[in-house]
Amino acid sequence: QSVVTQPPSASGTPGQRVTISCSGSSSNIGSNYVYWYQQFPGTAPKLLIYRNNQRPSGVPDRISGSKSGTSASLAISGLRSEDEADYYCATWDDSLSGSLFGGGTKLTVL
Amino acid sequence: EVQLLESGGGLVQPGGSLRLSCTASGFTFNNYAMSWVRQAPGKGLEWVSGISASDDSTYYADSVKGRFTISRDNSKNTLYVQMNSLRAEDTAVYYCAKDLPITSFQAEYWGQGTLVTVSS
Repeated sequence: QSVVTQPPSASGTPGQRVTISCSGSSSNIGSNYVYWYQQFPGTAPKLLIYRNNQRPSGVPDRISGSKSGTSASLAISGLRSEDEADYYCATWDDSLSGSLFGGGTKLTVL
Repeated sequence: EVQLLESGGGLVQPGGSLRLSCTASGFTFNNYAMSWVRQAPGKGLEWVSGISASDDSTYYADSVKGRFTISRDNSKNTLYVQMNSLRAEDTAVYYCAKDLPITSFQAEYWGQGTLVTVSS
């Protein structure tokens, strides 16, 4: 069981806005940046959000990240079929002196 | 273009050892921290280990501490992980990952991964 918790699944219809939550504690999310990754089956993950809310070049602005206290969230607006993938949050944990991934959320576009 | 090419994966018996390599190109290797991340079949991502750009700091997940050793050769633009006392639960695709410009032990770029299977 991950120290950083995500819902195992999320879903939405095309055009909708969906959010994926990521919950941690004071030693990880509460005191460090949060990162988000997207992964399609059989492929390497891709960085979507860094430092809580920053997008790498090439990531569309309909994808956004936020953080408050010991929780963070990823929002995808204008949902498209190609957004169907697994999404992971990640952060550093000061107590463990290591990085942590959330358990991952499978996003389904209905 | 950043490229990360892992090698060294394969089938190994429980208790055995394996060394993975990751050859990097397209960026100044000795300016960036690097990490190994793994993914067991059908499971989520697990950060395994990280090493600072200058090789003076290393970090490990509790699950591999004392069994895995991360290292780098900046003259060869290559990252390594020596894996000893392998267990069935170490079976996974192992990804090499390049950090962001400010060290975070996160992954701005990923390799394609190499499969390690621990089985008798």
